[in-house]
Amino acid sequence: DAGVTQSPTHLIKTRGQQVTLRCSPKSGHDTVSWYQQALGQGPQFIFQYYEEEERQRGNFPDRFSGHQFPNYSSELNVNALLLGDSALYLCASRAQGPGTDTQYFGPGTRLTVL
Amino acid sequence: EDKVVQSPLSLVVHEGDTVTLNCSYEVTNFRSLLWYKQEKKAPTFLFMLTSSGIEKKSGRLSSILDKKELSSILNITATQTGDSAIYLCAVRLIQGAQKLVFGQGTRLTINP
Repeated sequence: DAGVTQSPTHLIKTRGQQVTLRCSPKSGHDTVSWYQQALGQGPQFIFQYYEEEERQRGNFPDRFSGHQFPNYSSELNVNALLLGDSALYLCASRAQGPGTDTQYFGPGTRLTVL
Repeated sequence: EDKVVQSPLSLVVHEGDTVTLNCSYEVTNFRSLLWYKQEKKAPTFLFMLTSSGIEKKSGRLSSILDKKELSSILNITATQTGDSAIYLCAVRLIQGAQKLVFGQGTRLTINP
């Protein structure tokens, strides 16, 4: 049973560029959340996708956008990259319904903005 | 603003010691509290707590929630070098997407 997978594992970009990160949820999961984890900090909620729609958004600017596909996989797009966007980007998935509080995390994508 | 605070931020102990990690929270619409272990990248799930006063155990790790004090502790007995990691506490909210609000994490180092 494959867990949550993310690609790429590492990425280096320069300021002003755009980046797309990808996530495939754990088998049987239909809800995907994205988190940003800066060095030395806990993960911060960016947004969540369910049924191909954004359900809730954290305190992140519109430069951060996402998408969910019919197979439940998801993309995170960041435009006009800033140095401060350098972080580990984590994807987490879970199933909807009772008893499904646990979110399972992928290995993350380490983004470095130069 | 929803807030989760962990203490200590960093802890160094010798193998075999027992450690207690703390997590306190101030959130609206509490649903559950989760503990994760983060070694390299992916946080791995340890415990989920919803009811106050009920201890969850897994081997040498245990955790308990105190809803009156808005806090939780994670205990690790007979620590091993493999327990070295960042331990993250997160609170899941009821409303909306039921997002997780994380603390800063406690970096635990076990020296042989």
